This record gives sequence, structure tokens and C-alpha cells, in this order.
Amino acid sequence: ETGVTQSPTHLIKTRGQQVTLRCSSQSGHNTVSWYQQALGQGPQFIFQYYREEENGRGNFPPRFSGLQFPNYSSELNVNALELDDSALYLCASSLDSPPGEQFFGPGTRLTVL
Amino acid sequence: AQKVTQAQTEISVVEKEDVTLDCVYETRDTTYYLFWYKQPPSGELVFLIRRNSFDEQNEISGRYSWNFQKSTSSFNFTITASQVVDSAVYFCALTPNQAGTALIFGKGTTLSVSS
Repeated sequence: ETGVTQSPTHLIKTRGQQVTLRCSSQSGHNTVSWYQQALGQGPQFIFQYYREEENGRGNFPPRFSGLQFPNYSSELNVNALELDDSALYLCASSLDSPPGEQFFGPGTRLTVL
Repeated sequence: AQKVTQAQTEISVVEKEDVTLDCVYETRDTTYYLFWYKQPPSGELVFLIRRNSFDEQNEISGRYSWNFQKSTSSFNFTITASQVVDSAVYFCALTPNQAGTALIFGKGTTLSVSS
């Protein structure tokens, strides 16, 4: 059983650009959640996908969007990057239940200049 | 509103000392789950424990123990005989028993264990 993987590890972008972050969930896990973790803070929920459909969203603007694919992979897309988007982005996969027991990837460190 | 508060920002101890990390939560739900995660410098969050709101039994796993008290909305975590490898950021988290909901994290407590 492989764990959750994310790519790339690090990324540097400039303000206004667009970025796509990728995640490969644990095999058999049909739910993926994305979190943003700013420096010195706890992770903040962005959104969750279940069987390729968004089924929950945190307090993030529409320029944060996602996709989930049948092969247990997923993407987080951020348009019109802002300086405050600089953070560690974590992907977590889980089964339907028990609720919340999520397995996290190592994250992608995004820096926006 | 749901909220998790970890009042201790940083704790420093010497190896073999016991240390307790505090967690206080707020929720109006009657059914919910509480978690502790460890985040080493590598960044990956490591699951430590899950507890549902109906199970107030304390749990011990090796050097780790957890004290869940619904009356005070607290879910504290104790490391006995701390080791340098315990140095990390520890997060307490809460989630309601609903599909499509996420973990609500506290701000974390940075634990530094020196030899």
C-alpha cells in the first residue's frame, strides 16, 4: 500500500500567475481533501472531493479550484496568485468513514513573489 | 462555530521529562471526532489518535497518553519520558460526524526536546 504523494515539492511563482499542484491518494481512498498551511499556523481546509465531485469547501475564493480523477489522483489549481497564497499545501486522502481520519502527503511549498 | 485552541505556542523540555500539550475545543455538535497529529520538520502530518465524542476513556499507547474530558471540552496529550525524536509541531483537530466536512485544526504547539 503506497502512501499519499504530492508534486512538486517546491514551487516559486510570481503574482498573477496560475499554478497546478498534484496529489496521488492512497489506493482505494475515494475522498481527497486539500489544506493550506501558512507559516506558523494550522492547516486550513480548502475543499474536499468525493468520487470526483466537490462535496465540501472552506472559506476560500473561487480562484481556488480542484479536480479529482478516477485513478486516485487530484489537482489543486490556483489562479491569479497573490502574495498571501504563499504556504504549504497539503493533500489528504481518506475512505468514506470514519469521518476525518485522513492520511496526509508531504505537501507542496508554494512561494509567490 | 467550531474552534480548536492550543494555548501553548512553544514548549521546551529536556529528554526524559514528561510533557503535556493542551487542547480545548468548541462545538455545538453532539457527535464529533477529535484528533492529534504530529508534524515533523519534513512537513507531513502524522496521525496519532482519533477519539469520538462518546468515548471518554483515556488511552495510552506506549509513551503517549490522551485525556479526554467532555465536561471541560479538553483533549490533552501527554508524552512520558520525552525523547529528542518527539521534537515536532503537534496539532489538535476536530471534525463533526458529517460527510464532506474537514478537520479544523488548532494553531499547533511546537515541542522542542533537548538532550
